[in-house]
Amino acid sequence: EIVMTQSPATLSVSPGERATLSCRASQSVSSNLAWYQQKPGQTPRLLMYGSSTRATGIPARFSGSGSGTEFTLTIGSLQSEDFAVYYCQQYNNWPETFGQGTKVEIK
Amino acid sequence: QVQLVQSGAEVKKPGASVKVSCKASGYTFTAYGISWVRQAPGQSLEWMGWISPYSGDTDYAQKFQGRITMTTDTSTSTGYMELRSLRSDDTAVYYCAIGIAVAAGAFDIWGQGTMVTVSS
Repeated sequence: EIVMTQSPATLSVSPGERATLSCRASQSVSSNLAWYQQKPGQTPRLLMYGSSTRATGIPARFSGSGSGTEFTLTIGSLQSEDFAVYYCQQYNNWPETFGQGTKVEIK
Repeated sequence: QVQLVQSGAEVKKPGASVKVSCKASGYTFTAYGISWVRQAPGQSLEWMGWISPYSGDTDYAQKFQGRITMTTDTSTSTGYMELRSLRSDDTAVYYCAIGIAVAAGAFDIWGQGTMVTVSS
């Protein structure tokens, strides 16, 4: 199965700053990569799919890029509601696999 | 609106089985496959498998082969996930999820989750 590796495990950022999260696949997943946000006690929320397409209702400060094995999620200017855990997911091959998550915390 | 509503929390003993339901509304039930994803406490997400309500076709993650069964009831627009021979490391929140307005494989609609606790 494809292993998804996210870095860093924890990212400390001040409100208003930019955050850059990375996700690496153990083999190419083309652009079949999604990003999710999860807050404590809540269900995952889809942010991006197809590596760079924002899901419905997702603010423009979220952007995604990459293809093949290297992907990035950028949050342009962190708002208080953006502090959460972020997961990447590949859906190019079954079993679909998730990264271990990056926690974005307030600096 | 599109909604997936799951059954309530369960407590099971090791070796027992659990069956979680996922009732869909707000869309054509047979048009989209249902995936099941679980999340152990403090851990990441783990895809367990997928079922097509239209054909009944399934695909299970190898890790669960032999002890998982996914089914659907089109008369009630409900999906089911049964996991047998439960162990303590099966303690997790179990989610059903579908992708409607997105690429196949991504999930934009999630159930609220069902906590399954396996403990003697």
